[in-house]
Amino acid sequence: EVQLVQSGAEVKKPGESLKISCKGSGYSFTSYWIGWVRQMPGKGLEWMGIIYPGDSDTRYSPSFQGQVTISADKSISTAYLQWSSLKASDTAMYYCARHGEMATIRSAFDIWGQGTMVTVSS
Amino acid sequence: DIQMTQSPSSLSASVGDRVTITCRASQGISNYLAWFQQKPGKAPKSLIYAASSLQSGVPSKFSGSGSGTYFTLTISSLQPEDFATYYCQQYNSYPWTFGQGTKVEIK
Repeated sequence: EVQLVQSGAEVKKPGESLKISCKGSGYSFTSYWIGWVRQMPGKGLEWMGIIYPGDSDTRYSPSFQGQVTISADKSISTAYLQWSSLKASDTAMYYCARHGEMATIRSAFDIWGQGTMVTVSS
Repeated sequence: DIQMTQSPSSLSASVGDRVTITCRASQGISNYLAWFQQKPGKAPKSLIYAASSLQSGVPSKFSGSGSGTYFTLTISSLQPEDFATYYCQQYNSYPWTFGQGTKVEIK
C-alpha cells in the first residue's frame, strides 16, 4: 500500500526550531516529487513547496521561501519540513503529499499524509 | 501568482441532488487542474487530476470538466458521505495555488 506517514503533533515556543517528517512507503520514494501544504486553523490550503527526493531538487512558493527549509533523506524514504525560528503565526496543520506521476513535476497530488499539527505558543 | 476563485463559497443541498462547483483561474492553465475533498479533521483526499481524470478508487459520481480558465466539479447524486469542503488547485505555474474552498452542507 502506498502511504505517507507524518510525525506527531508538536508544541513549541516562539523562537524555537523544529523539523517535522513525512515517511513514504509502498513505492519508489526517490522517483516521485513530494510537496508540503499548510492549513492554518479554520482556513484553506496553501502550497508551500516541493522536493524531488532523487536529487533533492526543491522549489518554494515565494510566500514561504526563506521561512522554511524542505529536505529529504532518500536512504530512509523521508521528507522534512523545518523551521529555524518559529513564530506564533506558524501555528497550523501541515500536510505532505505525493505527486501522482513518476518523475513528473507538473502532476497533481495523489496521496496525502495524515497531517502534523504544529502549535507555537509562549 | 495565478488566482483560483471558486464559486459558490458554500452551498446547501439535499441527498440525491446534483451539485456543481465552479473554479476560475486568473489566467490560462490548460488542463493542469486538480480537485480535492476535505472532511473536518481529516487530510484532503485527491479526487480528480488533469481537470477530468478520476483518481484511482474515486467513484464515478464525481466528474470534472474544463480547460483554460474555467473548470467545474460535479457530484451527480449527493450522498451523506459527500458533505465536505472541496478545493481546486492549479499546477501549471509556480507557485501552485488553491481555490478558497467550497463547503457543501446538508439542507
